[in-house]
Amino acid sequence: DAGITQSPRHKVTETGTPVTLRCHQTENHRYMYWYRQDPGHGLRLIHYSYGVKDTDKGEVSDGYSVSRSKTEDFLLTLESATSSQTSVYFCAIRSLAEAFFGQGTRLTVV
Amino acid sequence: QQQVKQSPQSLIVQKGGISIINCAYENTAFDYFPWYQQFPGKGPALLIAIRPDVSEKKEGRFTISFNKSAKQFSLHIMDSQPGDSATYFCAAGNAGGTSYGKLTFGQGTILTVHP
Repeated sequence: DAGITQSPRHKVTETGTPVTLRCHQTENHRYMYWYRQDPGHGLRLIHYSYGVKDTDKGEVSDGYSVSRSKTEDFLLTLESATSSQTSVYFCAIRSLAEAFFGQGTRLTVV
Repeated sequence: QQQVKQSPQSLIVQKGGISIINCAYENTAFDYFPWYQQFPGKGPALLIAIRPDVSEKKEGRFTISFNKSAKQFSLHIMDSQPGDSATYFCAAGNAGGTSYGKLTFGQGTILTVHP
């Protein structure tokens, strides 16, 4: 699992509430990524980081923000959750020539 | 919009058969083409990857065939086993710089291998 821990693993939240997902890595990787997985869409990049406090938008960044104040933690925040953000969220790191994914967080917005 | 189109959506094969999954991409700047395998409740795991300077790469029972002129690549699973039953994703991206890890994924193929 390349030392990646996502938390929580499951969450149910109400529409309009803020939600923060955490990705923690133990191997000092510089590059980290947040993807969402939806049926029929594969995985789509939300945001990524190439260092502490260095982040950029991905393909589907609207409604999401990220922060990286420490190398080991990359946080994904839904400022005001909507039903369209119900999904499985994956964190990934870059190690040498490969991308490794965490176990995922299943988020349900009701 | 950069896209990677994957087919078929689902595939059923018998044990010992060959599973073939196809992908097509649009962006000629892509230079890294990985395949991921995902089991239920797990994150995607890298299976095999290819760069466009070769037309084929084989690792065990898994082979990637790459056609640069057609902008297509495919995964072949030889002697398919029930344990290969999973969802497979193709992806495309760039192997260097800050773009690495920014992968564009196909829609996924659910493979079922019957005993």
